[in-house]
Amino acid sequence: DQQVKQNSPSLSVQEGRISILNCDYTNSMFDYFLWYKKYPAEGPTFLISISSIKDKNEDGRFTVFLNKSAKHLSLHIVPSQPGDSAVYFCAARSHSGTYKYIFGTGTRLKVLA
Amino acid sequence: EADIYQTPRYLVIGTGKKITLECSQTMGHDKMYWYQQDPGMELHLIHYSYGVNSTEKGDLSSESTVSRIRTEHFPLTLESARPSHTSQYLCASSADRGRGYTEAFFGQGTRLTVV
Repeated sequence: DQQVKQNSPSLSVQEGRISILNCDYTNSMFDYFLWYKKYPAEGPTFLISISSIKDKNEDGRFTVFLNKSAKHLSLHIVPSQPGDSAVYFCAARSHSGTYKYIFGTGTRLKVLA
Repeated sequence: EADIYQTPRYLVIGTGKKITLECSQTMGHDKMYWYQQDPGMELHLIHYSYGVNSTEKGDLSSESTVSRIRTEHFPLTLESARPSHTSQYLCASSADRGRGYTEAFFGQGTRLTVV
């Protein structure tokens, strides 16, 4: 049973436009959500996070939105740059229990120059 | 910059060999994790540790074993490698000593190929 889902395996966006990556979760115990960026043959790099007490967190070109009622979060990248091309993973964690990070399947973003 | 290191980066080994993947972090993090990832798939948690002498199996069954004798070191061992073990192995650590919400830091991964 997949608790964190990224239903879009890939996304192509023109340079300078907005990239929107989506993530859904099923476990209502999750209270911390993260986005990671990953290049092939490398480890994931942390991008931005949000706790369940917030609905928005912004860091430069990256903004994460959390809709708890819909169990949905999204990552907005504005403006998109060719260097943003990578696989983006959504992850979630619960502080009640085992503190494990549960990851989605990833979305491959391609930013076209 | 995260200080978590994995060696080797790449390993090609024959079936039946014993291998150990090394993972070390210099951040003093109490929690450490091993994930396995195949192309196009999610990261599957195979082992985690809350601290020294504490290890637990993750959500994905794995024939590998781990140990946590020192805070900074979390090696993963396969007693007899098989082609089905071919994958990327990712080590991570996090600090959760009452500091609230924190992210996990990942090493660069080990790409294992068993022939």
